[in-house]
Amino acid sequence: ETGVTQTPRHLVMGMTNKKSLKCEQHLGHNAMYWYKQSAKKPLELMFVYNFKEQTENNSVPSRFSPECPNSSHLFLHLHTLQPEDSALYLCASSQDHGGTYGYTFGSGTRLTVV
Amino acid sequence: AQSVAQPEDQVNVAEGNPLTVKCTYSVSGNPYLFWYVQYPNRGLQFLLKYITGDNLVKGSYGFEAEFNKSQTSFHLKKPSALVSDSALYFCAVRRYSGGGADGLTFGKGTHLIIQP
Repeated sequence: ETGVTQTPRHLVMGMTNKKSLKCEQHLGHNAMYWYKQSAKKPLELMFVYNFKEQTENNSVPSRFSPECPNSSHLFLHLHTLQPEDSALYLCASSQDHGGTYGYTFGSGTRLTVV
Repeated sequence: AQSVAQPEDQVNVAEGNPLTVKCTYSVSGNPYLFWYVQYPNRGLQFLLKYITGDNLVKGSYGFEAEFNKSQTSFHLKKPSALVSDSALYFCAVRRYSGGGADGLTFGKGTHLIIQP
């Protein structure tokens, strides 16, 4: 374990469902991130939070809704997704906003939209 | 904007031979460079980073990388490959978002296959 825990590991959902992905870090980091990893595409940064405030939304569709109640927890709420949203969703955290000490990733949630 | 290029989709190396996985970058200012490894159905594991200092950076599992400012490269190397090194390798550069937390811009990844 890296210290960043993501649940669930796998999720299958219909296009009309609502589900949430959870990320938790016990590293005392201040910044948290959501990335999307699709087949044959580079990892895409979706959202950035610094001290639980959202600092970046990288043109992500509104069917993805992040929530960061505190510096240790990050959620990604999903609703009315499309099949092309099927991907590995990775959460990461960093001690400082610039990554001087590196970024720690969770194991990801494999999402399949049917 | 920052960018990272990994020109090879796949690199094949015989076990025991040296390996190199190539990475070039484009960034304004001083780069923060990273290498990560991903095993099937797993997240990314940190290998090494360059922030400042010596151009040769040593990391986990015997990997090292050489920062070359004039060639804007940060190639990953290992003197003797193991079959267990077979995985997907990502080069990344720190983004500069102008405020808040920055995150990383990744290359598309290189599959490293070590043949017994």
